Amino acid sequence: AQRVTQPEKLLSVFKGAPVELKCNYSYSGSPELFWYVQYSRQRLQLLLRHISRESIKGFTADLNKGETSFHLKKPFAQEEDSAMYYCALSGGSQGNLIFGKGTKLSVKP
Amino acid sequence: DTGVSQDPRHKITKRGQNVTFRCDPISEHNRLYWYRQTLGQGPEFLTYFQNEAQLEKSRLLSDRFSAERPKGSFSTLEIQRTEQGDSAMYLCASSLAPGVRDTYEQYFGPGTRLTVT
Repeated sequence: AQRVTQPEKLLSVFKGAPVELKCNYSYSGSPELFWYVQYSRQRLQLLLRHISRESIKGFTADLNKGETSFHLKKPFAQEEDSAMYYCALSGGSQGNLIFGKGTKLSVKP
Repeated sequence: DTGVSQDPRHKITKRGQNVTFRCDPISEHNRLYWYRQTLGQGPEFLTYFQNEAQLEKSRLLSDRFSAERPKGSFSTLEIQRTEQGDSAMYLCASSLAPGVRDTYEQYFGPGTRLTVT
């Protein structure tokens, strides 16, 4: 079964601390993995995707096929990073996304 | 073009009534997706269109739900005989079709929040 698991509902860190949001997936083929972010009162937006291998707002994520993980990392969290983060995968030509339940990141001053 | 738009943003209805939501995608996007999000959950796929053709429907989409995209531009999602369990945020997203740059990047609308009383 295709599934995305985000084990933490809430992650709270202090400003300047490293942050890692965990994501594990279950998919039989070669999925495309994404991180979407939703800031307060804003729409869901793409943060990064594994195939682009870029760093956005200081965040990076590496696809580990052996561990079926796609954890999101940032070395120094900022208060403006506080948001809801969703890991998602897309498999097959239809392109529909399968989302995890999300992790709420709270960065305290 | 300011992105994907949805209308209305909020809808309160009584159980048993019919409701219809509209989604206007980014103009050059030929794929359009509908998702549903309930409290504490991530968005769940409902259905998608490529141009005017509805290509896939999730098992979540009961026969009370129907979606259309008549001219391959805007789409409507209708729920007939609403139930309290239909209360959710309904999200629309659009993208280019496979084979084109940014294949699977979906751009989301602000959502329509449905409350069934």
